Amino acid sequence: KQEVTQIPAALSVPEGENLVLNCSFTDSAIYNLQWFRQDPGKGLTSLLLIQSSQREQTSGRLNASLDKSSGRSTLYIAASQPGDSATYLCAVDTGGFKTIFGAGTRLFVKA
Amino acid sequence: EAQVTQNPRYLITVTGKKLTVTCSQNMNHEYMSWYRQDPGLGLRQIYYSMNVEVTDKGDVPEGYKVSRKEKRNFPLILESPSPNQTSLYFCASSTNRQGHNSPLHFGNGTRLTVT
Repeated sequence: KQEVTQIPAALSVPEGENLVLNCSFTDSAIYNLQWFRQDPGKGLTSLLLIQSSQREQTSGRLNASLDKSSGRSTLYIAASQPGDSATYLCAVDTGGFKTIFGAGTRLFVKA
Repeated sequence: EAQVTQNPRYLITVTGKKLTVTCSQNMNHEYMSWYRQDPGLGLRQIYYSMNVEVTDKGDVPEGYKVSRKEKRNFPLILESPSPNQTSLYFCASSTNRQGHNSPLHFGNGTRLTVT
């Protein structure tokens, strides 16, 4: 059974720091991996989607990588800002129309 | 504006009183899904629908029902709510999932409390 783990559960960094969030999954047979942002009281916003045939995706200050063979993905945030404070979740599409989510990493960027 | 709309945002009810949480999307998406989010457990899939009149169970379907009579709507029905269904619920949609390259679009959530 596919399991998705995100470490650390919470992270606090000073403004301007580059940081990496980690996501691991137990079954490498995935179709894609998505990174989401969740703000308090709000739904999830899709940040990046990496298909299984891709190695990375970039959007602005965000870069997500995927290593299927090792069951790992990272989300790199460059020059972090207080507005980046949120919970970040990764999710894998296992096929069969099911998506499995990690529990998330709560990020706090201090001004 | 493209969006997924859930109603209500907050709901407090008592054990056994039937309730429905509505979900509507205006993006002509084929795929829709319901999740519940609980502390430390992440999001878990309840039910999903690949298209009109086509639904299937997710990982935690017990105690829930869904229907997909129209493409834009995918209501979640709790016939006899119990306290262990107290949770934050999210509806999501995407274009056809066969290509596996369509991001999920989420509603703002419904916080349900069952006493």
